[in-house]
Amino acid sequence: GNSVTQMEGPVTLSEEAFLTINCTYTATGYPSLFWYVQYPGEGLQLLLKATKADDKGSNKGFEATYRKETTSFHLEKGSVQVSDSAVYFCALSATDSNYQLIWGAGTKLIIKP
Amino acid sequence: NAGVTQTPKFRVLKTGQSMTLLCAQDMNHEYMYWYRQDPGMGLRLIHYSVGEGTTAKGEVPDGYNVSRLKKQNFLLGLESAAPSQTSVYFCASSRGLDNPDPLEQYFGPGTRLTVT
Repeated sequence: GNSVTQMEGPVTLSEEAFLTINCTYTATGYPSLFWYVQYPGEGLQLLLKATKADDKGSNKGFEATYRKETTSFHLEKGSVQVSDSAVYFCALSATDSNYQLIWGAGTKLIIKP
Repeated sequence: NAGVTQTPKFRVLKTGQSMTLLCAQDMNHEYMYWYRQDPGMGLRLIHYSVGEGTTAKGEVPDGYNVSRLKKQNFLLGLESAAPSQTSVYFCASSRGLDNPDPLEQYFGPGTRLTVT
């Protein structure tokens, strides 16, 4: 079946550090892949997405590349800020996923000044 | 566009009381979803709907009912609240099949429910 695995958190970094949050997936066919972010006390919002292999999604300095050969969609940012502290969710949509997104468990990111 | 809105934002119930959470979207989306989020846990799907008049069970449907009488609204009901239903509830919507990015979801701000 379809599944998404994220690295466990919390991930704690200092400001201006390089960020990687790993996400790997299992899916049939060619899923679309998403990263959502949830800031404290808020709902989830789409951060970036990629719909086919080798696509790179980017937004707010974050990037993720759809790697079909390694079934991965790792989130990266070159220099994090305190305001990036949030929970990050990786998700996929597959043609046989019964109208649902398949969610990872979320990774809490803490950035210290 | 307001996007996805949820009413109320906060609520405290006593065990056994009932209530309805309202979700509304103004994006003409076909699909709508109700999730719960508990501390340290990810999202768990309660129920979803793929069109007006349709509903389906998600991962954790017990103790909840839903209705989708109008395309823009998706109601979540708790008939007899229990402390285990203390959680933050999120509603989401997506465009649906035959649209670009049919399952990309747009979320409401959440309802924080406490059952004592």
